[in-house]
Amino acid sequence: AQKITQTQPGMFVQEKEAVTLDCTYDTSDPSYGLFWYKQPSSGEMIFLIYQGSYDQQNATEGRYSLNFQKARKSANLVISASQLGDSAMYFCAMRGSTGRRALTFGSGTRLQVQP
Amino acid sequence: GAVVSQHPSWVICKSGTSVKIECRSLDFQATTMFWYRQFPKQSLMLMATSNEGSKATYEQGVEKDKFLINHASLTLSTLTVTSAHPEDSSFYICSARGPEGGRNSPLHFGNGTRLTVT
Repeated sequence: AQKITQTQPGMFVQEKEAVTLDCTYDTSDPSYGLFWYKQPSSGEMIFLIYQGSYDQQNATEGRYSLNFQKARKSANLVISASQLGDSAMYFCAMRGSTGRRALTFGSGTRLQVQP
Repeated sequence: GAVVSQHPSWVICKSGTSVKIECRSLDFQATTMFWYRQFPKQSLMLMATSNEGSKATYEQGVEKDKFLINHASLTLSTLTVTSAHPEDSSFYICSARGPEGGRNSPLHFGNGTRLTVT
């Protein structure tokens, strides 16, 4: 079974500052993928970034980077230079190598960027 | 690319009626689609996996007779909430794995359907 834990229900950050959203996971799969999605108040799910369990380097995508620590089973999302439009729910998700191809989601973190 | 369209965006229905939600992959073929449900301020919970040309696979605790899934073509999956009750009110969102394939391919989501049963 796979489990994703996001321990921060809500986070505040000042505009232009960086923020880290925490994500820890648990899986017995030897190979897996970790994803981050953004969900604005309108409801759509926007894919942000992916990290594979065997990737040697941390993933980066524009202002988004993933701090992947495999031994600690954590995959924290770092957003640099926060913008007001970054205010949204952020979900960490996982796909294992066996079984289902769906994603298992964490409980989410609501990020509010303050001017 | 990899656009998933979901319709309707919102629907209000009376208790006891049925509601059909459509999910289309617009620019790629999706042999598998996933249906999620999201209650207010909660996470996305997988309801079922929709397989083109075969029966859907339901998650534990999801009533297959209540949530009918049909995946008749490579670009269309439908979810029908039968005999809807107020407790079925929720945000339903479909997704499909992109044409990129591979372990790292993300799920592409529709914009969701907000169902309110009165």
